[in-house]
Amino acid sequence: GQNIDQPTEMTATEGAIVQINCTYQTSGFNGLFWYQQHAGEAPTFLSYNVLDGLEEKGRFSSFLSRSKGYSYLLLKELQMKDSASYLCAVHLTGGFKTIFGAGTRLFVKA
Amino acid sequence: DAGITQSPRYKITETGRQVTLMCHQTWSHSYMFWYRQDLGHGLRLIYYSAAADITDKGEVPDGYVVSRSKTENFPLTLESATRSQTSVYFCASISGGFNEQFFGPGTRLTVL
Repeated sequence: GQNIDQPTEMTATEGAIVQINCTYQTSGFNGLFWYQQHAGEAPTFLSYNVLDGLEEKGRFSSFLSRSKGYSYLLLKELQMKDSASYLCAVHLTGGFKTIFGAGTRLFVKA
Repeated sequence: DAGITQSPRYKITETGRQVTLMCHQTWSHSYMFWYRQDLGHGLRLIYYSAAADITDKGEVPDGYVVSRSKTENFPLTLESATRSQTSVYFCASISGGFNEQFFGPGTRLTVL
């Protein structure tokens, strides 16, 4: 079966750093996506990790450990506009199918 | 405008009625997807298509039908709508050369 786990909700303070974890157990693995989704809007792409390690893109970084089935998204210098849901998703082998986790709702408070 | 669009954006229908949700993309992307998003479940894949006239089932295909006669269009039909199909539906596409999915704005469907 396919299983992706991430926390349901997190709260953090403006200007702080927050780490959103994701663990996965899937029957195949090509890579791991992170998407951001604001309330009432479509998901938008943040990152795609294929190899182990940390990839940094501005205030956002994403980490992957394939052997542990683990990823995290790190958000630095939090801003109010970062309040959104963050979706962890596994790109499966054998095509372009992607399995999504339920998402983590992040609340950024002043 | 270039991009991926969905219509209608909001739809209310009754149990048993047939409903078609439209998806149109202007990039000529090969792959297109239909997802539904429900609280607590995240995005679940309904159907996907690798090219015109090539479609395949996803995780939750029951009660849905798709077609892809043209590369740019990928309609989703609920043959006989049920209340459990009340959801937000997202269409997405990728080019095939890169794996990022581009999502449409979504259709909020309510089945009474």
